[in-house]
This record gives sequence, C-alpha cells and structure tokens, in this order.
Amino acid sequence: EVQLVESGGNLVQPGGSMRLSCAASGFTFSNYAMSWVRQAPGKGLEWVSTISDSGGSTYYADSVKGRFTISRDNSKNTLYVQMNSLRAEDTAVYYCAKVPQTGHVYYQIDSWGQGTLVTVSS
Amino acid sequence: IQMTQSPSTLSASVGDRVTITCRASQSISSWLAWHQQKPGKAPNLLIYKASSLESGVPSRFSGSGSGTEFTLTISSLQPDDFATYYCQQYSSYPYTFGQGTKLEIK
Repeated sequence: EVQLVESGGNLVQPGGSMRLSCAASGFTFSNYAMSWVRQAPGKGLEWVSTISDSGGSTYYADSVKGRFTISRDNSKNTLYVQMNSLRAEDTAVYYCAKVPQTGHVYYQIDSWGQGTLVTVSS
Repeated sequence: IQMTQSPSTLSASVGDRVTITCRASQSISSWLAWHQQKPGKAPNLLIYKASSLESGVPSRFSGSGSGTEFTLTISSLQPDDFATYYCQQYSSYPYTFGQGTKLEIK
C-alpha cells in the first residue's frame, strides 16, 4: 500500500524559512516523479512543484519560483521542499503526491499524502 | 493552461445522475484527471487520461472528453459521493487544477 507521510509544517513568521519532508513507502520511490500541491484554507488545489524520478529535473509554479526548492533523497525514500522568504499567501496545507513517469513524460497525480499545515503569520 | 469547471456548486439527491464539466483554455488531448476531496481529507484520484477509471473506484464514476472539453459523470449518486471534485491537466507544466465543484445534498 502506498503511504506518503508529510511532516515539518508549523507556524513561521513572514520572511522566514521552513523545510517540509515526505516519507514514502509501499512503492519503488526512485521510479516515480514526486510533486507538492498546496491548498489555502477554504480554497482549491494549487500545484507547487514537481521533481523527476532521478532528481535531475525540477518544475515550479511562478508563485514560488526562486523561493522554494524541491529535492529528494532516493536512498531515504524522502521528498523535501525548502521554503524561503515565506509570505502570508503561502499559508496552506501542503500535500506530497506521487506522479508516474516514463522518460520525460509525466502523468497524473495518482496518490496523495495526508498533508501538513504551514501557517505564515506574525 | 487555465481549467474552468462548471458548475461551482451542484445540489442533487441520492440516486441522481450528475455531470460536471471541465474546460481547458487550450487543447490538452486526453491528459486530464479527476480527483475527489472530502472535507478535512486529502484528495483521491478517480479518473485519469480523461476516461480511465482508477483501480478501486466504483464504476458509477465515468469520464469523457478530449481536447478542451471534459465531463465527469456519476450515474447514481451515493451518500459517500457528496464531496468536492477537481479536474487537473497534466499536458504541460505548470500543472493546473479547476476551481472545484462542490456536490451537495439537496
């Protein structure tokens, strides 16, 4: 059974930094791309970032480009996102998600973690 | 690519057949997924490649369409189906979601 368990969410001041982690199990982590998707309170889903299976390719939403960095450690089956220069509008539940990949082709999100809440406030 | 869902809210009764529409601002071929989200829970994949049913998803759910217009149909609503539904395009980055359709009990 696929399991994705996020951690690291907390309260942080505007301008601060935070790193989220996602521990994966139940599948061969190094064979899949991985994504972060967020959901602000009472709002819809917003894709944030995707990293390829090897970690060699990364993609970002314009809203986080230059501030967030996605990474992965395939030896630890763990996905990360380093979030810097945080703003109030980054407040959201952050979901880790699994994305099938074949070569340079990425497919639909097919599994989701339970999410971790990041609150940016003074 | 912008994804626009309609309606934003849908009121229906158990046993009803309902259809939700998702329109893309440009052609995405069949690279469209539908996700269901219940309050306080993570989303869950229902349909991928516009019309393929994810393993374990009840057959009352079906998807259709290609290019720019897509539909999600629930053939006979069950109490467990009252939730919010999102379409998602994965034709190109940035991935984008529709704004969601909240399915409410009439």
